[in-house]
Amino acid sequence: KQEVTQIPAALSVPEGENLVLNCSFTDSAIYNLQWFRQDPGKGLTSLLLIQSSQREQTSGRLNASLDKSSGRSTLYIAASQPGDSATYLCAVRLSQAGTALIFGKGTTLSVSS
Amino acid sequence: GAVVSQHPSRVICKSGTSVKIECRSLDFQATTMFWYRQFPKQSLMLMATSNEGSKATYEQGVEKDKFLINHASLTLSTLTVTSAHPEDSSFYICSAWTSGGARDTQYFGPGTRLTVL
Repeated sequence: KQEVTQIPAALSVPEGENLVLNCSFTDSAIYNLQWFRQDPGKGLTSLLLIQSSQREQTSGRLNASLDKSSGRSTLYIAASQPGDSATYLCAVRLSQAGTALIFGKGTTLSVSS
Repeated sequence: GAVVSQHPSRVICKSGTSVKIECRSLDFQATTMFWYRQFPKQSLMLMATSNEGSKATYEQGVEKDKFLINHASLTLSTLTVTSAHPEDSSFYICSAWTSGGARDTQYFGPGTRLTVL
């Protein structure tokens, strides 16, 4: 059974710092991996989606990498800002198209000004 | 990007009543819709998968008679929580997926906060 783990569970950093959020999954046979942002009491905002054949994706200050063979992904946030404070969720989709996502518990990030 | 709406965004009800939550894909036809729930400080857990015109597939531990799912059209799925109890209080989120073209991803609704008193 596929399990997704995110470390750390919570992270507090000062504004401007670069940071890395980690995600690991137990079964390397994934279709793709996706990073989401969730603000308190709100829905999900998709940040980056990495197909299983890709190694990384970038969007602005965000960079996500995928090492499928080792079952790991990292989300790198450059020059963090208070507006980045949120919970970041990692989710994998299994090999079949149209299957549901399996989520980690998330990393709650707090960026202080 | 694609838009998925949920209604209502927030509902408070008394124990024993039934609550219906709607999930709509506004600008595309969703072959499949998923229903997730999220308890406080926990991650999203899949409840069921519904394909248009067929019965939903429920995850282990989710009571199909309690959580009724109807996917009558390619743009609408409904989740009805029957005889709701306080332990059903949670954040319910739907997502919609279609196999067509570049839309090979899931689009999430904004969620519905259910509080059962």
